[in-house]
Amino acid sequence: QKEVEQNSGPLSVPEGAIASLNCTYSDRGSQSFFWYRQYSGKSPELIMFIYSNGDKEDGRFTAQLNKASQYVSLLIRDSQPSDSATYLCAVKYNAGNMLTFGGGTRLMVKP
Amino acid sequence: GAVVSQHPSWVICKSGTSVKIECRSLDFQATTMFWYRQFPKQSLMLMATSNEGSKATYEQGVEKDKFLINHASLTLSTLTVTSAHPEDSSFYICSARDSKAAEGTDTQYFGPGTRLTVL
Repeated sequence: QKEVEQNSGPLSVPEGAIASLNCTYSDRGSQSFFWYRQYSGKSPELIMFIYSNGDKEDGRFTAQLNKASQYVSLLIRDSQPSDSATYLCAVKYNAGNMLTFGGGTRLMVKP
Repeated sequence: GAVVSQHPSWVICKSGTSVKIECRSLDFQATTMFWYRQFPKQSLMLMATSNEGSKATYEQGVEKDKFLINHASLTLSTLTVTSAHPEDSSFYICSARDSKAAEGTDTQYFGPGTRLTVL
């Protein structure tokens, strides 16, 4: 069974700090990796995707992928209280188009 | 770009009635749409994959006769919850995959969700 694991948190960081969110996945055939942010009562919104080993930066966000370790992470620099949300890691496997979601990590950024 | 809408945003209905939820991709074509359900403080659970012009593929444990999915066009998929009961109360979210996106970048874009409350 394909699994995506995340620490449920909450992860608490002070404003201005770097928040590090981690995700592991079970299937080495995984193709693409996505990070979504979900505010309470709202639907997920895409932050970024990554499909090659290494780092991918977009503004304050950096996604890191290590396929050998089956590990993907999201770093948020200069964390703001508005970043407080649940962050969902999602993995797309080779077969089909569906995404498998992790349980999400709740991030709290304290002023 | 990549906007997905859902209608209605929220609905309250009596037990035993049917509720239809629409999911539209507004500025792109989506041969594939997905329907998720999310209970409070839980992650998204994929219910079914909706394919334009063909039958939907349901995940294990999801009753296809209760959750009717129709994907009649490249921009519209509907989910009908038939004979709804209180345990069907949940947050239903659709997503759409851009058919013309380059391989590896075919992300799913989510609609705003529909909150269903069955009394």
